[in-house]
Amino acid sequence: EAQVTQNPRYLITVTGKKLTVTCSQNMNHEYMSWYRQDPGLGLRQIYYSMNVEVTDKGDVPEGYKVSRKEKRNFPLILESPSPNQTSLYFCASTRTGGLYNEQFFGPGTRLTVL
Amino acid sequence: AQSVTQLGSHVSVSEGALVLLRCNYSSSVPPYLFWYVQYPNQGLQLLLKYTSAATLVKGINGFEAEFKKSETSFHLTKPSAHMSDAAEYFCAVSEGKIIFGKGTRLHILP
Repeated sequence: EAQVTQNPRYLITVTGKKLTVTCSQNMNHEYMSWYRQDPGLGLRQIYYSMNVEVTDKGDVPEGYKVSRKEKRNFPLILESPSPNQTSLYFCASTRTGGLYNEQFFGPGTRLTVL
Repeated sequence: AQSVTQLGSHVSVSEGALVLLRCNYSSSVPPYLFWYVQYPNQGLQLLLKYTSAATLVKGINGFEAEFKKSETSFHLTKPSAHMSDAAEYFCAVSEGKIIFGKGTRLHILP
């Protein structure tokens, strides 16, 4: 089954404690993204990756890092989380080429930073 | 630059009534347009997509959307609302990068 998986689904942490949210896709897509979803703000792109070892900032990259060492995985790293990073995070994998791009989303990670 | 505007952050309709969720876009080239649905505690699921093949697009769960170039709109409709339609709906436009609207939460009244 084609899917995007994220772990953990829920995480409560404290300010300054480094954390990583993993994302994996099994569709062999080159393009992957991270979004955060906040009430009234919709989805905002944090980082994206067009291929292995190619990453770039999205609209709200401050306080986040990513890496793309292999095609299927795209972890999101918060080196020193702060309360304003409390949010719902989605990883997405995008089928590109052809007429249009279509995104497939993971189930989300709800992060609370105390 | 592309952008998406969804009118109404909350919409309430009675069960059995028409659902209309509004989406207007701006794009410098013919756009590709999408509607996604997010049920509580779940990720986003593609409802339907417009890829220039036909202006009236049918999606899952009885939803459809009509692309109107003259109005730069891509409104989502369903003839008869069901309780299970209660969710948040996102319109998105793609010229490559996908841009999402801020979402409309649909409430179904019994």
